[in-house]
Amino acid sequence: GIQVEQSPPDLILQEGANSTLRCNFSDSVNNLQWFHQNPWGQLINLFYIPSGTKQNGRLSATTVATERYSLLYISSSQTTDSGVYFCAVNGGATNKLIFGTGTLLAVQP
Amino acid sequence: NAGVTQTPKFRILKIGQSMTLQCTQDMNHNYMYWYRQDPGMGLKLIYYSVGAGITDKGEVPNGYNVSRSTTEDFPLRLELAAPSQTSVYFCASSYPGQGVDEQYFGPGTRLTVT
Repeated sequence: GIQVEQSPPDLILQEGANSTLRCNFSDSVNNLQWFHQNPWGQLINLFYIPSGTKQNGRLSATTVATERYSLLYISSSQTTDSGVYFCAVNGGATNKLIFGTGTLLAVQP
Repeated sequence: NAGVTQTPKFRILKIGQSMTLQCTQDMNHNYMYWYRQDPGMGLKLIYYSVGAGITDKGEVPNGYNVSRSTTEDFPLRLELAAPSQTSVYFCASSYPGQGVDEQYFGPGTRLTVT
């Protein structure tokens, strides 16, 4: 099956800093989503981005499907950005998502 | 729209007990899913359904059962709970029409089996 790898596994930032999170996947995909899991465990949809670039406020994402990776950019980070960021892909006949192991982000004031 | 709702939020079970985790969505999505998340890990698919009356196994189905009698509801049944089923359970739904299949998740149920 498809393998999903995320990097870095952990990241500590000072408030106001920028960061880039990476998601590599091992096969072509039909669907790619980025999620933020906040410290209370809630999964928040950030982007549905099987290809191309999208922006939403301080966050943006780019997926280069032909090279099998996606990037999540966080600019001017805030303490509320803390949590775990997951990339998840679906490349098969079914619609099930395969999750990466996540990037744990801590933004310090 | 409440989106995807799950009950209960928390539950402690003794080994060998049974319970049903409830999931309801009000978005008229035909696809629904159950995932589990173990500490420090990503989510893994337990079961999914592409419509009422149709269910299929995911990656980790052992020890669970599901049913889908309506579009809105997708309960997950645990029979003979075991400590290995201690996890956070997430329900999700999607509508893969017009080429967009974005999944939306409920708030989760935290289950401890002791």
